[in-house]
Parts: sequence; structure tokens; C-alpha cells
Amino acid sequence: DAKTTQPPSMDCAEGRAANLPCNHSTISGNEYVYWYRQIHSQGPQYIIHGLKNNETNEMASLIITEDRKSSTLILPHATLRDTAVYYCIVRVDRRDTNAGKSTFGDGTTLTVKP
Amino acid sequence: DGGITQSPKYLFRKEGQNVTLSCEQNLNHDAMYWYRQDPGQGLRLIYYSQIVNDFQKGDIAEGYSVSREKKESFPLTVTSAQKNPTAFYLCASSISRQGTQYFGPGTRLLVL
Repeated sequence: DAKTTQPPSMDCAEGRAANLPCNHSTISGNEYVYWYRQIHSQGPQYIIHGLKNNETNEMASLIITEDRKSSTLILPHATLRDTAVYYCIVRVDRRDTNAGKSTFGDGTTLTVKP
Repeated sequence: DGGITQSPKYLFRKEGQNVTLSCEQNLNHDAMYWYRQDPGQGLRLIYYSQIVNDFQKGDIAEGYSVSREKKESFPLTVTSAQKNPTAFYLCASSISRQGTQYFGPGTRLLVL
């Protein structure tokens, strides 16, 4: 599995955009980038994923660089309820014998402040 | 209501005792996973199963065992060989081995 690197913590003002970076420089061609978030003492919640193109859904936008070595999760108008730990992971291709594994690092603790 | 359920929410284990954590899903997902989370840390993969009657060790399988006799169920047993079992345990499932994972609410295991 490609490993990911995220800053341990970030702050964001309520109502402003939160931009969370992730480095995955060893990502292989068929690995997807996934983002999850975890609010304290709950199970992680899926946010968004992508392969090459930028993606947007009702929760967030995902920007993947052209070389796919890094990505940014954007929460366009952060609220206090967005305070959580955000995980960036990559998922191995299904042809790999290790398909199904994914590694969650320590993530980024985002604190949205009023 | 579709989803993943884990029970119990809190579980207490005595020294030398085996305990089993339940994970059930009604999403018709083929793949299921167990993760362990220690305070302030990320998730570490214990075991995963890509299909019924098949499972593979993750990164920290020692002291744990699993079974996958039914598609909807993937129980995790924490054996007495696991010397530091106190943690938050999370179960997840995905439609296939490369699909999006959906997580249950977790079980917090404490050693008495």
C-alpha cells in the first residue's frame, strides 16, 4: 500500500474553506485516493474518493494533482460540526493479492473555530 | 434500515479471558474488515475477509481470530494471547474488496 502523509493538525475559521492536504508520492496507477473523517468515539465516515480527476459531492471537493502524488480535500464552508480527524488513504488495486487492505495513518485533526 | 452494527458498545475482559466482538451488516457487502484504534492514533488492520469462508491477516493479527461463516457476519475474538487488548475496535464492510468502506459505531474493550 502507498503510505500517506498528512499534517497532524489544522485550524479553520467557521464559514471559511478548510483545505486539508495529503501526500501519497508512492501511489500506483490504479490506486484510488479516499477521504474519511472520524468524530470522537465514532466510526469513520466516508467523504469522497477519486482516481485522477477532481471530484465533488455534497460534502466536499477532492483535488488530485496531475502526477497524483498529492491531493487536497476542500470543505467549502466549514462548520463547527466539521471538527474531526480526517484520514486520507489509498486503496490497492483489486488485481493485487493484498487487495482489500488499506492503511489508515494518524490523520489530520481539524478544529473549526467560531 | 441498512448499515453495520457492532455490539456491545462497551465490553470488559478479565485477564486470561477470550471475548468475542460482534459485527453484522445488511448491506449485502462481500468484504468485511476489523480495525483496532488506540487513543490518539489511526486505525490498524487486524483481519479482513473478501468473501465468505475466506479471511486474511492484517498488520496486527497476533492474539486475534475471526470467522466468516455467513456473508453478513464477521465476529472478532480477542484471545488471552493478546496482552494489550484495551482499545477501540471498528468493523467495516465494502461491496467488493476495492470498494468504499463503511464503518460501524465501534466497540470499546476494556481490561479489568
